[in-house]
Amino acid sequence: AQSVSQHNHHVILSEAASLELGCNYSYGGTVNLFWYVQYPGQHLQLLLKYFSGDPLVKGIKGFEAEFIKSKFSFNLRKPSVQWSDTAEYFCAVIFTGGGNKLTFGTGTQLKVEL
Amino acid sequence: GAGVSQSPSNKVTEKGKDVELRCDPISGHTALYWYRQSLGQGLEFLIYFQGNSAPDKSGLPSDRFSAERTGGSVSTLTIQRTQQEDSAVYLCASSPRRAGDSPLHFGNGTRLTVT
Repeated sequence: AQSVSQHNHHVILSEAASLELGCNYSYGGTVNLFWYVQYPGQHLQLLLKYFSGDPLVKGIKGFEAEFIKSKFSFNLRKPSVQWSDTAEYFCAVIFTGGGNKLTFGTGTQLKVEL
Repeated sequence: GAGVSQSPSNKVTEKGKDVELRCDPISGHTALYWYRQSLGQGLEFLIYFQGNSAPDKSGLPSDRFSAERTGGSVSTLTIQRTQQEDSAVYLCASSPRRAGDSPLHFGNGTRLTVT
């Protein structure tokens, strides 16, 4: 069955450190890829998305993600994190040909310390 | 403009009781999803409505769970004979088109606690 994996469940960084959160999926076909973020006490919101074209996509607040088809990965990166980036981050995938079900990973809780 | 609205925001119920959770999507959004968020489990897909098409119910965990969407707008998720393992945050999301073409807009969720 198609699945989405986020191997880092909890990440703690100091401000200005670089961030990379892993996301892998299991499916050999075409995919649409997303990263959603949930800040404390807020609802989930879209951070960035990849449908086609340039595999390096840029989102809000300085985040970017790179789609590497050969590795079935869509890792999220930010060169320098801020305390306000403390949140839970979810990778999500639509496996085309499998309806429009958006499958989420288990999430990564990021804590940025001052 | 108004976002996705869910009610109630919190619900505490006794084991064995039925509960109804409501979702008001953004006006004009044709796609509507229900997810369940449990601690350490991420977001679990439950059901998906798209326009007038038959819903994708493949994520409903048991026949105690059902959902309907009336008039292509408001949706109700019903859990019958609740169990303690049903305790979770139930999230609703809507999208103006198919989720493959546009991002989802999430509500704040209903936190269900079954005692």
